[in-house]
Amino acid sequence: EVQLQESGPGLVKPSQSLSLTCSVTGYSITSNYWGWIRKFPGNKMEWMGYISYSGSTSYNPSLKSRISITRDTSKNQFFLQLNSVTTEDTATYYCARRRRVPLFDYWGQGVMVTVSS
Amino acid sequence: DVQMTQSLSYLAASPGESVSISCKASKSISNYLAWYQQKPGEAYKLLIYSGSTLQSGTPSRFSGSGSGTDFTLTIRSLEPEDFGLYYCQQYYEKPYTFGAGTKLELK
Repeated sequence: EVQLQESGPGLVKPSQSLSLTCSVTGYSITSNYWGWIRKFPGNKMEWMGYISYSGSTSYNPSLKSRISITRDTSKNQFFLQLNSVTTEDTATYYCARRRRVPLFDYWGQGVMVTVSS
Repeated sequence: DVQMTQSLSYLAASPGESVSISCKASKSISNYLAWYQQKPGEAYKLLIYSGSTLQSGTPSRFSGSGSGTDFTLTIRSLEPEDFGLYYCQQYYEKPYTFGAGTKLELK
């Protein structure tokens, strides 16, 4: 069974970088696409970006200058880095498997990240 | 960006009832529409894609309809496990966008 688990700090200071890890079991990240999605307080959701089976990436233009998604295939993990965070980046962050068609069929439980000094 | 509007943020119903949740796109997205369910403490679950195709494992009491700009998720004869948050998502074009969610609560 495909399982995803997010990990990372729950508190980040403004202007710093947010770094999260998604550990995948039951499926190789060298297949399919692997994405990050976040849910803000109040339930609004935003697709952030994904990394493909080949390592190529695609990002939401609203984040393009601040976001980076990378991977470590030897550990079957992929990563999110979001730079220059503000309080507006406070959200629950989810990693998910994206099919060839841009649907997200397996999700992690999410990790809540608060941006605060 | 394609804006997805779920007009109802909250819906109360009782087990056994049928409910419909609507989702409207700001432009035509053909049938590139998915529905997800989220329950507290659980991972998101993909329920329906292509507007009306049930994901494997989705109970048959769920159905999806619509194309273009207007879509509906219908749950027939609600079960206790159906209460939670429901989101629509368009995948017609990037950036993929979600509705604001409809919370289905027990009346």
